[in-house]
Amino acid sequence: QQQVKQSPQSLIVQKGGIPIINCAYENTAFDYFPWYQQFPGKGPALLIAIRPDVSEKKEGRFTISFNKSAKQFSLHIMDSQPGDSATYFCAASIGTDKLIFGTGTRLQVFP
Amino acid sequence: KAGVTQTPRYLIKTRGQQVTLSCSPISGHRSVSWYQQTPGQGLQFLFEYFSETQRNKGNFPGRFSGRQFSNSRSEMNVSTLELGDSALYLCASSLNPGGTGNTIYFGEGSWLTVV
Repeated sequence: QQQVKQSPQSLIVQKGGIPIINCAYENTAFDYFPWYQQFPGKGPALLIAIRPDVSEKKEGRFTISFNKSAKQFSLHIMDSQPGDSATYFCAASIGTDKLIFGTGTRLQVFP
Repeated sequence: KAGVTQTPRYLIKTRGQQVTLSCSPISGHRSVSWYQQTPGQGLQFLFEYFSETQRNKGNFPGRFSGRQFSNSRSEMNVSTLELGDSALYLCASSLNPGGTGNTIYFGEGSWLTVV
């Protein structure tokens, strides 16, 4: 019940494409759902986060869609750029800083 | 404003030795948490501390321990190192755990290699 399942494992898109990464959870007590971006050799950096009372949140080219009834949330990257090539992690937590991470999606954006 | 600072960045230890990793949170942050990242297991939660008290502990053996000091700095210790402990150890900090709008910031990590 503490798992967060993330897919796909890897994703290849062309510049300008809209990669979509999906995550699913079981524990309905989760109340915070962040997405992190990680470049090789660096720590994860927060991209965007959402709480379950909101169905969509946009920050720049990044959008989270949240479906509470389906217990799923996804990250959309609009107008993707080669500089977006990185590993993306979804996560979930319940009122603390204990984050349960998905397994990660390696995104490659080709020019 | 300085970010989360972890030291050392890289270290190599021998099986059976012990290691201590340090973390300085962002100024004003009182919550510090630790994660282990490996290619096989991904990102796994180790501990969370708030005001010197351990709030949560992950599913790791007792060889892994941590503590937080009154200035919010934190250390984690791994005793009797095993080859499988080779990983990137990440520290994170936040201002208001569980609070609306709270953001958890990660450091660059400490790369531990056990030989």
